[in-house]
This record gives sequence, C-alpha cells and structure tokens, in this order.
Amino acid sequence: QVQLQESGPGLVKPSETLSLTCIVSGGSISSYYWSWIRQPAGKGLEWIGRIYTSGSTNYNPSLKSRVTMSVDTSKNQFSLKLSSVTAADTAVYYCGRGLVGTVGRYYYYHMDVWGKGTTVTVSS
Amino acid sequence: SYELTQPPSVSVSPGQTASITCSGDKLGDKYACWYQQKPGQSPVLVIYQDNKRPSGIPERFSGSNSGNTATLIISGTQAMDEADYYCQAWDSNTGVFGGGTKLTVL
Repeated sequence: QVQLQESGPGLVKPSETLSLTCIVSGGSISSYYWSWIRQPAGKGLEWIGRIYTSGSTNYNPSLKSRVTMSVDTSKNQFSLKLSSVTAADTAVYYCGRGLVGTVGRYYYYHMDVWGKGTTVTVSS
Repeated sequence: SYELTQPPSVSVSPGQTASITCSGDKLGDKYACWYQQKPGQSPVLVIYQDNKRPSGIPERFSGSNSGNTATLIISGTQAMDEADYYCQAWDSNTGVFGGGTKLTVL
C-alpha cells in the first residue's frame, strides 16, 4: 500500500525558509492531489495546501504569501517551502494523499493516506 | 473564510453511542469527512463523503450531514475509540478543518 514519508530539517531559524519533502512509496504519485497539513503541539490540524501532479496548486489563504509547493514525478516526491518563518510555524508537519471528485453537484476532497509527520521547530 | 465548529470535548460510557457534531454555514451542501487521531499518531480517515467508511474502519463508525451540521456517530463505543476527532470540508478551493473534539470514554 501507499506510504508517505516526510523529511527535512527539524530546526529552522526565524526569518528563514522551511523546506520539507514527502516521498511517496508503494504507488505512483501521478493523478492524485498531494497535501501538506500542520499541527502545533497540543493544537488542531491546519491545512496548508495541495498540489496536483500537473503542478496545479491551492493554498490556505492565511499562508498563501509564504507557501510554495512543487512536485517531482520522476522521483515520486513533492515538496513544501514556507518562507519567513516565525515561532508560530513550529509544528508537526504532515503530508497526505488527497482524493477528489464530484458526485452530483457536490465536490469532495479528503485525505486517505498520511505520513507519520515530522517536527519542525523555529528557533535561533 | 469558512469555519467549522466542533465541541472541544465529548464524554461517553463504554458501549454507549457517542455523537460529535461539526457546524458550518450550509455544511449540508458540501461533503464532510472525519479523521481520528490518537496521541502521538497521524490522523486516520474514518468517514468520507458524509457517511462512507474506508476499508478497515469498524461498522460502529457512521456519519450524517444535513443543514448546517455534520455528525460523527460511534455506536457501541469502545475504549480504543478514545481519541481526538476532526471534521474537514472543502470550501472556495481551500481545505478546512474543525477545531477538533476530544472523545473520552469513561
């Protein structure tokens, strides 16, 4: 079955750029949406954004100015960059596979496979 | 921006039925899904498209969505169901999560 694994630095300095990669194994990255979600310690989930294998993206409006996502189908992986980080960006970052479609007039989007998450701390 | 509201906590006795609500403007006109998250673990999808269960999810998990409220129902709640539960929907090209509900089985 498909498995996701996040990787990247666990510590990032304030004002710098957080960079994470999610490697997809056990299946093809093609024809799916791939998402990033984060969770500060003791708090709820926050959707960061998603990217389709064509490169099309949707970002959370609250983070849009700082977020860039990319996909590398040849390596079966996708990436997240978050610029100008502050302590408020300290969180566990998850990657996930998004399933989408339309039934009748309703659009659905949910994440059926999640990575184990990686902790990123923003501190000098 | 669109918001989903969940009660912070719900308590249930073992064997009883637990109901967790998720409220949002005209949520019934969207599809809702639910994730279960146990401490130190990644979220797991338990309900999608309002009331469908992924493979491997016990039948005691069910869902509904109408009007402004989606509901996750756990029948015959077991101790292993104690976890945080999050609803999620899609609005204006954005994924939106509820704030989460801690389900306590006592």
